[in-house]
Amino acid sequence: AQSVTQLGSHVSVSEGALVLLRCNYSSSVPPYLFWYVQYPNQGLQLLLKYTSAATLVKGINGFEAEFKKSETSFHLTKPSAHMSDAAEYFCAVSSRSGGSYIPTFGRGTSLIVHP
Amino acid sequence: KAGVTQTPRYLIKTRGQQVTLSCSPISGHRSVSWYQQTPGQGLQFLFEYFSETQRNKGNFPGRFSGRQFSNSRSEMNVSTLELGDSALYLCASTGTGTSYEQYFGPGTRLTVT
Repeated sequence: AQSVTQLGSHVSVSEGALVLLRCNYSSSVPPYLFWYVQYPNQGLQLLLKYTSAATLVKGINGFEAEFKKSETSFHLTKPSAHMSDAAEYFCAVSSRSGGSYIPTFGRGTSLIVHP
Repeated sequence: KAGVTQTPRYLIKTRGQQVTLSCSPISGHRSVSWYQQTPGQGLQFLFEYFSETQRNKGNFPGRFSGRQFSNSRSEMNVSTLELGDSALYLCASTGTGTSYEQYFGPGTRLTVT
């Protein structure tokens, strides 16, 4: 079984400040890990993914995440927040089951950016 | 390539009715998955179809069903609607080359009154 825990349902930062969204996972097999972003009334957009290559993964819009196996974590960071980053962020873990990779999602973290 | 499309985008139904939602995957993608998103339960996996066959199924009652056509388009059906079925229903498609990576549509917002 696999699971994802996102610490903090809401994170509030000032524009220009560091963004840190936390994600811890559990998986019985080597996982694939993802961060998705969701804007209001839209679907999920893939920000970045870890697929057992480099542990530091760079994504779109200046986001990056580091896979730490010893800590079972995959935290999302961005050096400087923009107002446009305000959205819901989901961490997901996926491992192969049969012919598919069905992700398990965390509950999401709402990022609030103050001017 | 065009992205994943879902129709309709918004839907209002009454308890007891049934509803059919449609999803067209990215061209060339053969796997389609469906998710229910609610504030209380988050994102929950409904089922996955591949080559017209249901390959995986989540923990939802039999009122939720789906199918996939030969062109990979998929539909999901919910019968005997309940108030708790109000949710955003998301469809995602997956290509064979990167079978772990899902591309999501904009969703269908279903409101049951």
